[in-house]
Amino acid sequence: SQTIHQWPATLVQPVGSPLSLECTVEGTSNPNLYWYRQAAGRGLQLLFYSVGIGQISSEVPQNLSASRPQDRQFILSSKKLLLSDSGFYLCAWAGGGNEKLFFGSGTQLSVL
Amino acid sequence: EDQVTQSPEALRLQEGESSSLNCSYTVSGLRGLFWYRQDPGKGPEFLFTLYSAGEEKEKERLKATLTKKESFLHITAPKPEDSATYLCAVQAGDSWGKLQFGAGTQVVVTP
Repeated sequence: SQTIHQWPATLVQPVGSPLSLECTVEGTSNPNLYWYRQAAGRGLQLLFYSVGIGQISSEVPQNLSASRPQDRQFILSSKKLLLSDSGFYLCAWAGGGNEKLFFGSGTQLSVL
Repeated sequence: EDQVTQSPEALRLQEGESSSLNCSYTVSGLRGLFWYRQDPGKGPEFLFTLYSAGEEKEKERLKATLTKKESFLHITAPKPEDSATYLCAVQAGDSWGKLQFGAGTQVVVTP
């Protein structure tokens, strides 16, 4: 069966520090991968998606970037965090004929 | 621009008290409407996909319906374990997974 791993679960970072969040998927090959962010009291917002190694599409202009160095690995990065980068970050992959999104357990990022 | 509005923002129910959640959407060319359940501090869990007006899907005490402008999630005789935030989303674009989410309805079911 397929599983998705996301870490760390929580992260507290100072403004201006770098960021690296990692997500890996097991049990499937060539999945479509997604990074979403959930701000307090707001809906999930799609940040990036990838249909294959090295292929990244950005949905909103921002201080973040994404990379897909391996088929089942998706990384979210920032060189210098802003206060506005705080939120709950979720990685997901599309399965079930690409009909369903399966989410990881999320990373709660607090930028202070 | 695609928009998804969920109401109410929060709902408090007694165990066994049935109710409905609303999801109003504006999207050009609906390809799918999705319902997810999210527990605090966790990622959303897929519940249903609806594709066309008139479609209905059920899972245990949950039933989702779809019209041309809105979707309803009916919770019949809820139990405390049904407490969660329920998210509605529409597919925007050609790629599955590129979803436009509503802000969610937080449901609390008390014994």
